[in-house]
Amino acid sequence: AQSVAQPEDQVNVAEGNPLTVKCTYSVSGNPYLFWYVQYPNRGLQFLLKYITGDNLVKGSYGFEAEFNKSQTSFHLKKPSALVSDSALYFCAVRDENSGNTPLVFGKGTRLSVIA
Amino acid sequence: DGGITQSPKYLFRKEGQNVTLSCEQNLNHDAMYWYRQDPGQGLRLIYYSQIVNDFQKGDIAEGYSVSREKKESFPLTVTSAQKNPTAFYLCASNRVSTVAEAFFGQGTRLTVV
Repeated sequence: AQSVAQPEDQVNVAEGNPLTVKCTYSVSGNPYLFWYVQYPNRGLQFLLKYITGDNLVKGSYGFEAEFNKSQTSFHLKKPSALVSDSALYFCAVRDENSGNTPLVFGKGTRLSVIA
Repeated sequence: DGGITQSPKYLFRKEGQNVTLSCEQNLNHDAMYWYRQDPGQGLRLIYYSQIVNDFQKGDIAEGYSVSREKKESFPLTVTSAQKNPTAFYLCASNRVSTVAEAFFGQGTRLTVV
């Protein structure tokens, strides 16, 4: 079975400081990993994905994520947070052996960037 | 302008009524999905379809029904059997590939009054 855990419901960070939103996963094969952002009363927007290759993936709006196979983690990072980054962030996974099954999402982490 | 369109944005339903949420995409995607979002519970899968005229139940299909008569359309009906239908509903689609990211509509907020 596939699963994703986002251990923090809420992350608070000061504007200009680096931010990290944590994600760990569980799959039987190799993982395909995704990050999304959701603003209030809107749909999810795709930020980035890891398929294979370089463990550091760069995405939209200055976000990046680091894949760590030994720790089964895929943490989202940004060097300098903006107030406009305040939103709900979702990590998702799909097992390479699962075919085109639906993405499995974590419960989300609310990021609050304080000016 | 490609994308996924959900309508209406807000919907109010009286108890005992069925309502249908619309989802249309012009991305030429074969796979389409319906998720339900409640505060603190993330996204839960209701139904999905990987090809026209075929669909599968997700984790919380009870009280919901879908159809997939056209590639572009995947409407969701919330029936009176759904005991707690007030939620934010999200439709998504992607091409049929293990590595494909899903694209989401803007959501429909359903409230039972």
